[in-house]
Amino acid sequence: QVQLQQSGPGLVKPSQTLSLTCVISGDSVSSNSAAWNWVRQSPSRGLEWLGRTFYRSKWYSDYDPSVKSRMTITPDTSKNQFSLQMNSMTPEDTAVYFCARVIGGYTSGWFDSWGQGTLVTVSS
Amino acid sequence: DIQMTQSPSSLSASVGDRVTITCRASRSISGYLNWYQQRPGKAPHLLIYTSFNLQSGVPSRFSGGGSGTYFTLTISSLQPEDLGTYYCQQSYSAPLTFGGGTKVEIK
Repeated sequence: QVQLQQSGPGLVKPSQTLSLTCVISGDSVSSNSAAWNWVRQSPSRGLEWLGRTFYRSKWYSDYDPSVKSRMTITPDTSKNQFSLQMNSMTPEDTAVYFCARVIGGYTSGWFDSWGQGTLVTVSS
Repeated sequence: DIQMTQSPSSLSASVGDRVTITCRASRSISGYLNWYQQRPGKAPHLLIYTSFNLQSGVPSRFSGGGSGTYFTLTISSLQPEDLGTYYCQQSYSAPLTFGGGTKVEIK
């Protein structure tokens, strides 16, 4: 049974960088059959996929175009986790952030396991 | 990006009712459509993947169908624990996108 445990701050100041980590148990971040994603949810924007990282003989990452310029997702094989960094945060980035696993194909698959969610508020 | 449109945005039904939620894609996504249930304060939970496949442990009263641009999620006999918000999500191409949700309430 896969479990994803998120950690990170709940409050970020405008213009600062958000850092969140998702620790994986029951699977490997280097799995050849999974992709590791970040999704956020807000009342105004609903559920938004932010990006993913996955390993298929080498590491890949891709992002939603709306956040691509200021977001990085990084795997850490030594700790079996992956992290999100998003810079230049604004109040519009206030949301609940989830990490999630996709199986069944990194593009054609489905989100079968989710972290508990982290409410991130961007405010001074 | 592929836009996903759900209807209705909310519904209220009685225990035992048959409930159907629809999801339309802005262009064909073949059968790459997944459904999730989300209860308040919780993460989404997978119900159906690739249009009609029931996730392990999900009650058989849930079923999905469709292909191309039109998909449905049906609850054959609504139960009190089915309250929550339901989302469709396309996995045909990145960026992955979700529908706006259908809130299900019990009368």
